[in-house]
Amino acid sequence: KQEVTQIPAALSVPEGENLVLNCSFTDSAIYNLQWFRQDPGKGLTSLLLIQSSQREQTSGRLNASLDKSSGRSTLYIAASQPGDSATYLCAVGGGSEKLVFGKGTKLTVNP
Amino acid sequence: GAGVSQSPSNKVTEKGKDVELRCDPISGHTALYWYRQSLGQGLEFLIYFQGNSAPDKSGLPSDRFSAERTGGSVSTLTIQRTQQEDSAVYLCASSSPEDPPYEQYFGPGTRLTVT
Repeated sequence: KQEVTQIPAALSVPEGENLVLNCSFTDSAIYNLQWFRQDPGKGLTSLLLIQSSQREQTSGRLNASLDKSSGRSTLYIAASQPGDSATYLCAVGGGSEKLVFGKGTKLTVNP
Repeated sequence: GAGVSQSPSNKVTEKGKDVELRCDPISGHTALYWYRQSLGQGLEFLIYFQGNSAPDKSGLPSDRFSAERTGGSVSTLTIQRTQQEDSAVYLCASSSPEDPPYEQYFGPGTRLTVT
């Protein structure tokens, strides 16, 4: 049974810092991995999708890496801003099948 | 284009009543998923539909939960005889085998409160 763990559960940083969020999964037989952002009381916004054959994806100040063999992914946020404050969720997928989610990292960026 | 939409956005119901939650996926997406997010819990898979195949119901927590997808598009999640532990945000997502394959796009969710 796939299990996804995200560390840390919460993170508070001053504005401008670079930061790394971690995600680990127990079964390396994944099809893809998605990072999402969730604002309070809102749905999920997809940030980055990494296919199992890829090592990383970049979008603006965000960079996600994937090491499938070790069951790890990281989300790097450069030059953090208060608007980045949200909960970040990592999820692994088996193709068309369900995503298995971690419990998220709650990020607070202080002005 | 239009994203995934869900209705209602909020639903308050009395214990024991039945509720129906609706999801409109992105046009052309063949896969549709329901998840549940309870307070303090992670996202929990409930059910998924893929084209005309039999749905994967392995995540439904009890036989009070059921879902349909009519015409390969709109889906309805029904909860019968609601209980207080059913209170949660119910999220719907859809995906396509097209590029990028099976990236899931989520709707805004329905917040269900059972009193």
